Amino acid sequence: NAGVMQNPRHLVRRRGQEARLRCSPMKGHSHVYWYRQLPEEGLKFMVYLQKENIIDESGMPKERFSAEFPKEGPSILRIQQVVRGDSAAYFCASSPLDRAVNEKLFFGSGTQLSVL
Amino acid sequence: GNSVTQMEGPVTLSEEAFLTINCTYTATGYPSLFWYVQYPGEGLQLLLKATKADDKGSNKGFEATYRKETTSFHLEKGSVQVSDSAVYFCALSENTGNQFYFGTGTSLTVIP
Repeated sequence: NAGVMQNPRHLVRRRGQEARLRCSPMKGHSHVYWYRQLPEEGLKFMVYLQKENIIDESGMPKERFSAEFPKEGPSILRIQQVVRGDSAAYFCASSPLDRAVNEKLFFGSGTQLSVL
Repeated sequence: GNSVTQMEGPVTLSEEAFLTINCTYTATGYPSLFWYVQYPGEGLQLLLKATKADDKGSNKGFEATYRKETTSFHLEKGSVQVSDSAVYFCALSENTGNQFYFGTGTSLTVIP
């Protein structure tokens, strides 16, 4: 059973370009979380999705950022018109549909976004 | 609101030294508490957890006790190894929601 798969591992973009980060949750998991890790700031929650639904996007910047988790395919975190401040490690985590509230999250290895 | 506060790092210890990483939390309800570990170049992995007051989570020689009276969940290990070098994150999850709240992480380096 493969773990949470994120790609690419490293993504380089120039200012103003778009970044697309992909996350395939573990088999049987239908909850996906995205976190951003900035240097010296730890992990910050961005968005929580279930299949075809955004459940909580309270951590998402109001502009340029969007996320989706379609019925088929991976979850996508999309950043439009990237700026240098978007450079960070972006982690995806998943959990099963019937996750108990104290059940753990399973994390991917992250995508390191560098904006030049 | 909910939040987690960890001691700042980095922490550097010699092999076989005693480790404590402090973690305190603020929660509106009765959360579950977790320690996650992140090895270089990898995602986070669950190290241990505790779901109610006075529970002790343990794994790989690490321990943490859920202290409701002090709202703490300090991580301890009696004798660290070089292979324990990693970043450690304290986290909480409310029992009525789906959110996880993470601390800022504490970097540990163990030298031979």
